[in-house]
Amino acid sequence: GAVVSQHPSRVICKSGTSVKIECRSLDFQATTMFWYRQFPKQSLMLMATSNEGSKATYEQGVEKDKFLINHASLTLSTLTVTSAHPEDSSFYICSSSPLLAGAQETQYFGPGTRLLVL
Amino acid sequence: AQSVAQPEDQVNVAEGNPLTVKCTYSVSGNPYLFWYVQYPNRGLQFLLKYITGDNLVKGSYGFEAEFNKSQTSFHLKKPSALVSDSALYFCAVSSFSGGYNKLIFGAGTRLAVHP
Repeated sequence: GAVVSQHPSRVICKSGTSVKIECRSLDFQATTMFWYRQFPKQSLMLMATSNEGSKATYEQGVEKDKFLINHASLTLSTLTVTSAHPEDSSFYICSSSPLLAGAQETQYFGPGTRLLVL
Repeated sequence: AQSVAQPEDQVNVAEGNPLTVKCTYSVSGNPYLFWYVQYPNRGLQFLLKYITGDNLVKGSYGFEAEFNKSQTSFHLKKPSALVSDSALYFCAVSSFSGGYNKLIFGAGTRLAVHP
């Protein structure tokens, strides 16, 4: 099956610093990648949809200046949490589909990144 | 609006017994339904999906799900549970809007299989 990786798997940072999370599709090209946030014991919340070569589309209530998304190539999308604060501590997960197609396509998920802001 | 409900926060099953994790959905148009499993501190793993055709869908690790249009349900099942099946299970419906295929997740159901 399609493989998606994330790096780092875990990061601890001080309040006010910025953190970059990478999401890579290892064996397929991904024109679209999705970024989710998951709080403990809760479901996944879609933050934004990342398109290669264009601006990301953010969900309502997600600060685009806070969560910068760059989709520089067909296999890499990055999420940068700028000026991180303790409330940004969460589990961030990316996903992608091998094809930019309709609703029947399966999304494959990365292993997630645990962010802890002190 | 598309939505998914998982009515049970937790399901407890004895090893070897059949298991069912419930999911109901609300969609406009044809439903595209998915089941994912999440192990602690890990991303989601795809189990199976219903797009069209046979109402009984078979997936990974011996899991299957039955699509029931009249009851708008897509329950996940396995004939004989394993302790290693203990995890968090998410049902999702796909919503294709604005040119993107978005997944809308249920709240998740924690499955605990006891030896």
